[in-house]
Amino acid sequence: AQKVTQAQTEISVVEKEDVTLDCVYETRDTTYYLFWYKQPPSGELVFLIRRNSFDEQNEISGRYSWNFQKSTSSFNFTITASQVVDSAVYFCALSGIQGAQKLVFGQGTRLTINP
Amino acid sequence: NAGVTQTPKFRVLKTGQSMTLLCAQDMNHEYMYWYRQDPGMGLRLIHYSVGEGTTAKGEVPDGYNVSRLKKQNFLLGLESAAPSQTSVYFCASSDPHSGGPEQYFGPGTRLTVT
Repeated sequence: AQKVTQAQTEISVVEKEDVTLDCVYETRDTTYYLFWYKQPPSGELVFLIRRNSFDEQNEISGRYSWNFQKSTSSFNFTITASQVVDSAVYFCALSGIQGAQKLVFGQGTRLTINP
Repeated sequence: NAGVTQTPKFRVLKTGQSMTLLCAQDMNHEYMYWYRQDPGMGLRLIHYSVGEGTTAKGEVPDGYNVSRLKKQNFLLGLESAAPSQTSVYFCASSDPHSGGPEQYFGPGTRLTVT
């Protein structure tokens, strides 16, 4: 069975601090996808990034970066120089590659950036 | 493009009542999904569809039915609502054959069953 664990339920930091959101996953599949989604206070889910299990290259997009380590089954998300607009619930998710990519979500981490 | 839209945005039902949630997408996506979001539990898959006329059960299908009569629409039905079905429902779509596996979500429907 697939499982995603986001152990940090809530994180609160002051603006401009760096913050890392942890994600640990379990799967028996040899190939899979990992995702991060953002849910701002307005409630919609916004796709941020997808990684393939066979591509362990880290990725940076502006202030956002993702660290994928297959050896520790982790896919962590770092926000550098956080801003108030980064306040949201962030979800890590996992899916298989074949057929319908049914997402298995973690419990989410509520991130609050204080001015 | 409107992307993924959901109707209605809010609904209050009494126990035992029935209702249908409508999801529509204009991206010509092949796959569509229904999830529910409960506090502290993330999103869980209810049912999904890999094409017009096909549906399949997800992780938490009991008490729900779905239909995909047209490619662009995916309906979620509650035949006899129960308080345990109070939740926020999200529809999503994707097309891994053309656009990648990431799913795009609708704005959600907040359902309260009293």
